[in-house]
Amino acid sequence: GAVVSQHPSRVICKSGTSVKIECRSLDFQATTMFWYRQFPKKSLMLMATSNEGSKATYEQGVEKDKFLINHASLTLSTLTVTSAHPEDSSFYICSARAIVAGAVDTQYFGPGTRLTVL
Amino acid sequence: KQEVTQIPAALSVPEGENLVLNCSFTDSAIYNLQWFRQDPGKGLTSLLLIQSSQREQTSGRLNASLDKSSGRSTLYIAASQPGDSATYLCAVRGGSQGNLIFGKGTKLSVKP
Repeated sequence: GAVVSQHPSRVICKSGTSVKIECRSLDFQATTMFWYRQFPKKSLMLMATSNEGSKATYEQGVEKDKFLINHASLTLSTLTVTSAHPEDSSFYICSARAIVAGAVDTQYFGPGTRLTVL
Repeated sequence: KQEVTQIPAALSVPEGENLVLNCSFTDSAIYNLQWFRQDPGKGLTSLLLIQSSQREQTSGRLNASLDKSSGRSTLYIAASQPGDSATYLCAVRGGSQGNLIFGKGTKLSVKP
């Protein structure tokens, strides 16, 4: 099946630094990539949707200057948390929607990145 | 605004039991519904996807049903095993290009 990877899987950083998380679709091309944030015992919250070569669409309440998303190719999207603060500590999951002609529209999810800001 | 609710929030059963997880959604105009499994500290694995025109889908010991008009779906797990222990998430998509709206999940623990 389709595989989505994320790197790093875990990162600890100091407050004020920036952190970049990569999301790659390994064996398929993704028209659209999604970034989610997950708090303990809460639903996955969609942060933004990005299409290759165009600006990301952010959900209400998500600061686009804080969470920079770049979707440089059909297989790579990056999320940069700028000037991270302890409240940004969370589990971030990316997802990719596959381009498969004639197939059911399916999203594949990455393994997640645990961000801890000290 | 679509809201997805999953009941119960947590469930503990002995190995071998059959069990049902519930999912309800407020807007019945959905494109499809998907059940996922999430292991601790991991991403999501898709288990079953039901299109709005379908009533159920089966994969091995898993069976998911969909009653769109009443806004409900159930995930039935037969002969549960300790390896089934995980959090199960239900998500609905409002349109072909719509986003997935997730419930908070049901944390399942199957005791040996």
